[in-house]
Amino acid sequence: SQTIHQWPATLVQPVGSPLSLECTVEGTSNPNLYWYRQAAGRGLQLLFYSVGIGQISSEVPQNLSASRPQDRQFILSSKKLLLSDSGFYLCAWAPGTTYEQYFGPGTRLTVT
Amino acid sequence: QQQVKQSPQSLIVQKGGIPIINCAYENTAFDYFPWYQQFPGKGPALLIAIRPDVSEKKEGRFTISFNKSAKQFSLHIMDSQPGDSATYFCAAKKAGAGSYQLTFGKGTKLSVIP
Repeated sequence: SQTIHQWPATLVQPVGSPLSLECTVEGTSNPNLYWYRQAAGRGLQLLFYSVGIGQISSEVPQNLSASRPQDRQFILSSKKLLLSDSGFYLCAWAPGTTYEQYFGPGTRLTVT
Repeated sequence: QQQVKQSPQSLIVQKGGIPIINCAYENTAFDYFPWYQQFPGKGPALLIAIRPDVSEKKEGRFTISFNKSAKQFSLHIMDSQPGDSATYFCAAKKAGAGSYQLTFGKGTKLSVIP
């Protein structure tokens, strides 16, 4: 069976510090991968998605970036965090040939 | 422009009641409509999904009703329980190769009181 992991689970970072969130998927190959952000009590905002190694599509201009160095690894980064980057970051994966999308447990980021 | 409109924003029902959450869409290219359930502090979980070639789909106590002509779909929860208290999101996806994104509604916070 497939499993998606995210770490860290929670993170408190000062404004201006760098960020690296990691997502890995087990039990599948060549998945589509996604990063979402969810502000407190709000909906899901798609940030990036990837259909293959090194292939990244950005949905929202911001100070975040994403990379996919390996088939089942997706990384969300920032060089300098802003207060507005606080939120719940969710990674999701989808089998390449189907419609279903499955979410990870999320990372709660608080920028102080 | 919000492409999937979800209502209501919040909903309170008594145990055993049948909460109904509605979603409407504009883009006729959508051909996959899932519902997600999210508990506080957790990632959303895929609950049930429907394609436009059927008008209804049931999985346990959860039912999706789909009205293609009205471009609307809804989630019904039969015999609701306090454990169903969560935020529910509808979503839609376009058909065709090269379409990878889900478009989400803004969510409905459901509270089921004992």
